[in-house]
Amino acid sequence: SQQGEEDPQALSIQEGENATMNCSYKTSINNLQWYRQNSGRGLVHLILIRSNEREKHSGRLRVTLDTSKKSSSLLITASRAADTASYFCATDDGGGFKTIFGAGTRLFVKA
Amino acid sequence: GAVVSQHPSRVICKSGTSVKIECRSLDFQATTMFWYRQFPKQSLMLMATSNEGSKATYEQGVEKDKFLINHASLTLSTLTVTSAHPEDSSFYICSARVASDQPQHFGDGTRLSIL
Repeated sequence: SQQGEEDPQALSIQEGENATMNCSYKTSINNLQWYRQNSGRGLVHLILIRSNEREKHSGRLRVTLDTSKKSSSLLITASRAADTASYFCATDDGGGFKTIFGAGTRLFVKA
Repeated sequence: GAVVSQHPSRVICKSGTSVKIECRSLDFQATTMFWYRQFPKQSLMLMATSNEGSKATYEQGVEKDKFLINHASLTLSTLTVTSAHPEDSSFYICSARVASDQPQHFGDGTRLSIL
């Protein structure tokens, strides 16, 4: 089964609004990563947050991690049409051997 | 930096053909490369993990004789889909990483269509 589960599965917002996506996972992790995938393309790494970190920023992106609740959130502020994509959280399997991806959130930003 | 090149981007071929997909890390050495399969509007399904110079580790349910993986160098891994059939049609994506505490860098994927 998937380690990470995102919600919502799909999100449609207007340009300029903020978009929040959540991810829950089941086992202990060393780090959690967020990726973005444009349709028909590979994934692009956005942010990696380690288990001893609680919050991380990168440009318009803000990621939080709550290891007690085994959850993370990705906030995209002031969204743009170009942010339209699928967003995946991913966690290591605890041993660091492989990364397990969640089901993803499909974000659609209307211009 | 951290560019992964995957070729070909699209393949259309007849049933029974074997297809080779290459994954190269262009500006870094990848200790580990991963191969994923993705169905439309679904997440990535890990097929196998490959470390340079050793045999690939396949996930449960993935036929190793069907999906041959070779990781001959720190910058190149190949996936060969042998005797491909229509049910093998999918989007295959590779990724590479330097270390277990580092993110993966992805190729642009290969869309395989078997007629």
